[in-house]
Amino acid sequence: ETGVTQTPRHLVMGMTNKKSLKCEQHLGHNAMYWYKQSAKKPLELMFVYNFKEQTENNSVPSRFSPECPNSSHLFLHLHTLQPEDSALYLCASSQGTDGYGYTFGSGTRLTVV
Amino acid sequence: DQQVKQNSPSLSVQEGRISILNCDYTNSMFDYFLWYKKYPAEGPTFLISISSIKDKNEDGRFTVFLNKSAKHLSLHIVPSQPGDSAVYFCAASASIAGSYQLTFGKGTKLSVIP
Repeated sequence: ETGVTQTPRHLVMGMTNKKSLKCEQHLGHNAMYWYKQSAKKPLELMFVYNFKEQTENNSVPSRFSPECPNSSHLFLHLHTLQPEDSALYLCASSQGTDGYGYTFGSGTRLTVV
Repeated sequence: DQQVKQNSPSLSVQEGRISILNCDYTNSMFDYFLWYKKYPAEGPTFLISISSIKDKNEDGRFTVFLNKSAKHLSLHIVPSQPGDSAVYFCAASASIAGSYQLTFGKGTKLSVIP
């Protein structure tokens, strides 16, 4: 257990479904992130939250909707996804800005059918 | 356009020998570099880092070398062990105020053969 917990570990959803991914950290970190890992592609940053405020949105389609109710929890709400959205979605948290101390969750393996 | 490139998708090394994983970058603003290790079904874990003011950082069996003029870094693992078999990601960041972004390479899958 790394300190960043993601649920569910696996998710299969239809293109018309609505689902949510959850991330939780109790490391006292003030920044949380969503990353997408597709096959044969680099890790892609999707969203950054710092002290519950969204500070980055890397041109992510609106069918992905993040929510950060507090500095320990981060959600990614999914609706009307496409098959190409199938990927591993990783949550991470950190205290500082230099990248050192990033802690990743184990990820949610999402399959859109 | 990929700013961090790991051109070798896979590498096989005999146990006890040296593993060398390479990474190239294009953004001259990057000044901090990290290596992450990822086992299947787990998230990446931090391995070792290096600041651009250094050209070498060592931690046990792991050494990272940075060649700023060539925009190249490498991770050396000596001696390699079967437990080192994993995917290794190179990542880079720039000390721009308020920036939290890490840019990752695609990863290199290392297989250490017993």
